[in-house]
Amino acid sequence: EVHLVESGGGLVPPGGSLSLSCAASGFSLSNFWMTWIRQAPGKGLEWVANMNQDGSERYYADSVKGRFTISRDNAKNSVFLQMNSLRVEDTAVYYCARHSGNFDYWGQGTSVSVSS
Amino acid sequence: EIVLTQSPGTLSLSPGERATLSCRASQSVGGSFLAWYQQKSGQAPRLLIYSASSRATGIPDRFSGSGSGTDFTLTISRLEPEDFAVYYCQQYGGSPRTFGQGTKVEIK
Repeated sequence: EVHLVESGGGLVPPGGSLSLSCAASGFSLSNFWMTWIRQAPGKGLEWVANMNQDGSERYYADSVKGRFTISRDNAKNSVFLQMNSLRVEDTAVYYCARHSGNFDYWGQGTSVSVSS
Repeated sequence: EIVLTQSPGTLSLSPGERATLSCRASQSVGGSFLAWYQQKSGQAPRLLIYSASSRATGIPDRFSGSGSGTDFTLTISRLEPEDFAVYYCQQYGGSPRTFGQGTKVEIK
């Protein structure tokens, strides 16, 4: 059974940094693109970043480009999101999802709050 | 960027009724690469429909999707109590992947 478990969320001041992790199980991570999607409180879903199987292709939403970095370690079945220069508007639940064009499996999310 | 507009914003219906949700794209979605997700309060979204009309694994057949080009529809034939939730469409025919703003199906 496919499982994705995010961790690393928390409270951080504006301008701070946070690193999120997503542990994958039940499938071979090296066969799939992976994605981070976020949802601000009471709002809809926003695609943040994705990465192909070997990490040679990475794409970012304009809202996070230059501040966030997606990475992966297939040997450790993990995907990461390094978030720098955080802004209040980055406050959201961050979901890791398996990317098959659509997003067929999602983690439960980890909450990031950017506030002074 | 393909902008997806969902309507209505909120749908108030009773259990057993039929729900029809619309998703309109600002430009044609290549390959009918459109998905629908259900999100219940406090939970992660769940894939319901992909490629406009194919049900994901384990999704009951009361959920169906249709459409092509710029107009897509999610239909729930008879609402069950567990179907009251927010539904999002998402396109993957172009980059970046984009979502609609959601339709809330609430109990009347």
